[in-house]
Amino acid sequence: KQEVTQIPAALSVPEGENLVLNCSFTDSAIYNLQWFRQDPGKGLTSLLLIQSSQREQTSGRLNASLDKSSGRSTLYIAASQPGDSATYLCAVGLLNAGGTSYGKLTFGQGTILTVHP
Amino acid sequence: DAGITQSPRHKVTETGTPVTLRCHQTENHRYMYWYRQDPGHGLRLIHYSYGVKDTDKGEVSDGYSVSRSKTEDFLLTLESATSSQTSVYFCATRQGLYTEAFFGQGTRLTVV
Repeated sequence: KQEVTQIPAALSVPEGENLVLNCSFTDSAIYNLQWFRQDPGKGLTSLLLIQSSQREQTSGRLNASLDKSSGRSTLYIAASQPGDSATYLCAVGLLNAGGTSYGKLTFGQGTILTVHP
Repeated sequence: DAGITQSPRHKVTETGTPVTLRCHQTENHRYMYWYRQDPGHGLRLIHYSYGVKDTDKGEVSDGYSVSRSKTEDFLLTLESATSSQTSVYFCATRQGLYTEAFFGQGTRLTVV
């Protein structure tokens, strides 16, 4: 069974700092990995999607990397701002024996990020 | 975000009553999913659909059923609500298997 772990569980940093969130998964047979942001009481907002054949994706101040063989992904946030405060979730799509699993995602527990002014 | 609307957004119901949650999408996405989010468990898949009238069970499907009679609507039914089904329920959609997944705003369900 695929297990996804996110470290740290919580992180508090001063504004302007660069930071890294970690995601690890136990089964490397994935077809993609997606990072989400969740604000309190809200839904999930997609940040970045990395296909299994890709090494990284960038969007603005965000950069996500994927090392499928070692079962790791990182989300790098540059020049953090108070508005970045949220819970960050990673989710992997697992390939089954038939070559797909209908787009089902397995989620980590999330990292709660607080950026203080 | 794929125009996903969940209804109701909040609901309080009594143990033993049936409850139906609705997910409506406007982007003609083929794949639709229901997840629940609970402290300590994260998000877990309840049921999913890979086309009209094509559905299957997820990780935590006991006590839930789904129906999809139209591309745009995916219904989640709790046949007889229990307190363990108190949770926040999220609907998600994606166009294709390898494309981005989008989530609705969630439905907070309380079973008393």
